[in-house]
Amino acid sequence: RKEVEQDPGPFNVPEGATVAFNCTYSNSASQSFFWYRQDCRKEPKLLMSVYSSGNEDGRFTAQLNRASQYISLLIRDSKLSDSATYLCVVTLYKSNYQLIWGAGTKLIIKP
Amino acid sequence: DAGVIQSPRHEVTEMGQEVTLRCKPISGHDYLFWYRQTMMRGLELLIYFNNNVPIDDSGMPEDRFSAKMPNASFSTLKIQPSEPRDSAVYFCASREGEDTEAFFGQGTRLTVV
Repeated sequence: RKEVEQDPGPFNVPEGATVAFNCTYSNSASQSFFWYRQDCRKEPKLLMSVYSSGNEDGRFTAQLNRASQYISLLIRDSKLSDSATYLCVVTLYKSNYQLIWGAGTKLIIKP
Repeated sequence: DAGVIQSPRHEVTEMGQEVTLRCKPISGHDYLFWYRQTMMRGLELLIYFNNNVPIDDSGMPEDRFSAKMPNASFSTLKIQPSEPRDSAVYFCASREGEDTEAFFGQGTRLTVV
């Protein structure tokens, strides 16, 4: 089993819809959690950190469920510009705080 | 700060040649990572440094790859000799501390022909 797993997609979603995807992690000792966005042929960029209490940034909401070991990302009122690959990342204390990356979920917003 | 700076942005080289990729991390960041990304294998960690010391190089594919960090503001990834299967985008990233987010450079797109 991979340490961090994501549905690769693609998720094909009409503009304006709400879309959500999850990321599961296998190690309960995971410390920190992040969502990154990567556009085609570009570098990954931080979208948001994920806090235990959950956090929201405009149309984006991230949640952490430690009991079930997953994090989620919700995008409301999706825009064409949201089309990208979304990568989840966890850090692991027992691995010298190495960043463990999911393979990413591809999102395509259709007009 | 200008962010993580990588050079060159693109590199095309012939098989067997030496390739050197360069990275300048964000000032004050203690961690530096080298990643490789391909369509087939996704984002792979090659090596990372903490305070200029290599912590984990288990991702370095073979002896042809080597990485150095002579000081806090500079790192290199060298491939010698290069092979066509090394063609990929190589990213450098840095982060301030152990629980913080990483910031990526724009990457070096390497093509070995």
